[in-house]
Amino acid sequence: AQKVTQAQTEISVVEKEDVTLDCVYETRDTTYYLFWYKQPPSGELVFLIRGNSFDEQNEISGRYSWNFQKSTSSFNFTITASQVVDSAVYFCALSDGNSGYALNFGKGTSLLVTP
Amino acid sequence: DAEITQSPRHKITETGRQVTLACHQTWNHNNMFWYRQDLGHGLRLIHYSYGVQDTNKGEVSDGYSVSRSNTEDLPLTLESAASSQTSVYFCASSEFSGRSTDTQYFGPGTRLTVL
Repeated sequence: AQKVTQAQTEISVVEKEDVTLDCVYETRDTTYYLFWYKQPPSGELVFLIRGNSFDEQNEISGRYSWNFQKSTSSFNFTITASQVVDSAVYFCALSDGNSGYALNFGKGTSLLVTP
Repeated sequence: DAEITQSPRHKITETGRQVTLACHQTWNHNNMFWYRQDLGHGLRLIHYSYGVQDTNKGEVSDGYSVSRSNTEDLPLTLESAASSQTSVYFCASSEFSGRSTDTQYFGPGTRLTVL
């Protein structure tokens, strides 16, 4: 069963627009972790942000912010004032005890930011 | 600086051959993971290890094996390569303490083609 769903396959925005990437997860564990990774066209996977089940906080880090809501099992990620360099595939991932704390990835959302 | 490396970065092999992909990290992390990335599937877990002499199967482990003889390395072996194993392979590592987990950091990936 899919544990992480990223319903948005592709998103296209114009530079300087804000964009929110959606992530819905499924787990029966009470302790779990959620991550967002970025995969630019060069192919590497870059860690962006992390959330913890025991610390449901919505935070901001530079142009990145996230909205973690356990009530709706969502871990949405927002980029403020998008830039062309933000063009990439973004993956949401869940880590819980069922998989030995390995990562269960969503299928990714491809973000294109145009000038 | 500490890092995680993979070699080779690109590999072309023939069906039936044994192939070994190397992963080396200098963070002294306890945990190491292998994932494969395929279009339409995102990243899927192949094997993982919590420490020396420890290995565990992931979601798509058939046809793959790993061994952990030291902290720094987790080589991935394809016993008899098949065309279905054409993919991009990522290695990752993280700390682990009790039931918590630290962020996984990824190597640059190996693109494997099986003809």
